[in-house]
Amino acid sequence: AQSVAQPEDQVNVAEGNPLTVKCTYSVSGNPYLFWYVQYPNRGLQFLLKYITGDNLVKGSYGFEAEFNKSQTSFHLKKPSALVSDSALYFCAVRPPLGGNNRLAFGKGNQVVVIP
Amino acid sequence: DAGVIQSPRHEVTEMGQEVTLRCKPISGHNSLFWYRQTMMRGLELLIYFNNNVPIDDSGMPEDRFSAKMPNASFSTLKIQPSEPRDSAVYFCASSPAGGGEQFFGPGTRLTVL
Repeated sequence: AQSVAQPEDQVNVAEGNPLTVKCTYSVSGNPYLFWYVQYPNRGLQFLLKYITGDNLVKGSYGFEAEFNKSQTSFHLKKPSALVSDSALYFCAVRPPLGGNNRLAFGKGNQVVVIP
Repeated sequence: DAGVIQSPRHEVTEMGQEVTLRCKPISGHNSLFWYRQTMMRGLELLIYFNNNVPIDDSGMPEDRFSAKMPNASFSTLKIQPSEPRDSAVYFCASSPAGGGEQFFGPGTRLTVL
């Protein structure tokens, strides 16, 4: 079964500094990987995904993520964090098409950007 | 596109009452998912449908919970009877065939007193 680990509970970063949110995964076959963001009292919002191709994926709001097959990781990054980036971030994985359609979500990381 | 629509947005009820949560997925999407989110347990998948057929209901907590999808544009999640431990935010999400990513609704915040 597929699974995701987000090892940190909370990530604190100063505004303007680089932001990294870590994610490692476990899945049979080539993974489909996703990042979502949840702002307070809102639903999850899709940020970006990796299906195939270039290991560096660019998404919404200046976020990007790098797929690393050897380390089974898909860390989310932003070069310069904004206070408005403070939110809960979820990594998710699913097996390739033809497998189970469900996403396995991590527990989420609270990101706090300090002004 | 209006996105995934959920109703009601907030529900407060008393223990023992029946609760029905509603979801309208994005038009053209063929998969629909019901999730529950709490501080203690995080985000849990309850059930999902493909082409209106329940595929995996292993996350449904117990027989008090039931979900239906009578057509491609509507789904319900029912709790009968409700209990205080059911208090949570319930999300509905839909996804298109082949896309993988799910699009979430705004959620229903359920409080059972």
